[in-house]
This record gives sequence, C-alpha cells and structure tokens, in this order.
Amino acid sequence: DIVMTQFPASLAVSLGERATLNCKSSQSVLYSSNNKNYLAWYQQKPGQPPKLLIYWASTRESGVPDRFSGSGSGTDFTLTISSLQAEDVAVYYCQQYYTTPGWTFGQGTKVEIK
Amino acid sequence: EVQLVESGGGLVQPGMSLRLSCAASGFTFASYALSWVRQAPGKGLEWVSAISGSAGSTYYADSVKGRFTISRDNSKNRVYLEMNSLRAEDTAVYFCAKDTEFGFASGWFDKWGQGSLVTVSS
Repeated sequence: DIVMTQFPASLAVSLGERATLNCKSSQSVLYSSNNKNYLAWYQQKPGQPPKLLIYWASTRESGVPDRFSGSGSGTDFTLTISSLQAEDVAVYYCQQYYTTPGWTFGQGTKVEIK
Repeated sequence: EVQLVESGGGLVQPGMSLRLSCAASGFTFASYALSWVRQAPGKGLEWVSAISGSAGSTYYADSVKGRFTISRDNSKNRVYLEMNSLRAEDTAVYFCAKDTEFGFASGWFDKWGQGSLVTVSS
C-alpha cells in the first residue's frame, strides 16, 4: 500500500494567518495518462464525519470556501488555509486514491488557534 | 439531499460477529460504489471495504480480508458489512461513505454518514 505521511502532526495558527499542511506519499500518485494527481483532502471536526475539501490535489469541492487551496504533484502535496477562521479548527487528512483497492489516508494534522 | 445512516454497532466479545447496515437516500443508489471507513478511538481513518454499484466487485483491506464481507441490496438502498471473528483492534467508529465517481469504485468520498461505534471487548 502507498503510505501517506502528514506533517506537522499539529499546528497552531493565529486567526487570520496562513496555515500550511503537508502530505507526502511513498510513491507517486500522478497518473501519467491523464496528468491527474489522485489525492484528496478532508476536514474532520470533533464528533463529526470527514468532509471532502479538495480532490485531484487542487480542485475545491462545491461549497468549500476559497481560503482553502490544494497544490503539489507526484509525491508532495500541500493544503493551505489562507486566512484561518475559528471554524477551521479541525483535523485534516490527505488520502490517495491512486491504487484500487488499497486507498490510504495520512495520520492527520490537527489545526488549532494560537 | 444525500443521507447515509449507519446502524448495528455495539459491544461484542472477541471472536463474535456483528452486522452493520447503512441506509442511503438522496441519490441514485445503484449507480455509486459505497465504502466502509473506520476510525479507532483517537486515531486516523482507515479504509475497510468497498462495493461497486452493481455489487459485481468487492474490495477489502488486508486487515479485514477473510473476516469481513460487504454486500448491498439495491432494492432497499442499503449496504451491509458483516464482521466475523472480531478482534479488539477492530474497535472503531465505522463510517459509510459514498464514492464520488459514477459507475465504479474510485476511492474518494463526497458524502459520509455519522458513523456507528463497534466495541470489541470481553
């Protein structure tokens, strides 16, 4: 299975400041035939199920605020929250869907307010 | 509105069995694959099993292969997870998750249920 590694494990950011979350895969999740990265980001708030934020590494799901953006390719990816809001406190997971089956998640990054 | 509602969780002894159910509504059920994803207490997410819309294809994580069986009833808009030979390490909240792509199991999920807690303990 592809191993997804997220860092840092936790992050404290002041309101209105930028949060940068990283995700690294043990092998490339870029499918050469369509030039798409098979990488998604989810947000999970306490006591709630995960919510899809980003897919194909950089496409924002409908309804997700534009302060959330995804970037990267191959094995290295980033989720950026451009201006942290109080409601963004959550754990964020990256997930690869390159291999079927065997979809795997990172261990998560916890975002808190400084 | 898409809704996924899990049921069937509870406390079970090691070695015993349990069946989870997920009732779906708000989308063309037979056209989408569904997965079970679990989360141990205080831990991250682990994909467990998936089934295609037609039920012609099923997939399992190595950690549950041979012990868990996924199935679906498209006439009832339900997907099931039969869990046998349960172990303490199977203790988790089990989420039902809807696949995003039409027609096949692509492995990324746009809707999730609230989850059902399974506790394996003597």
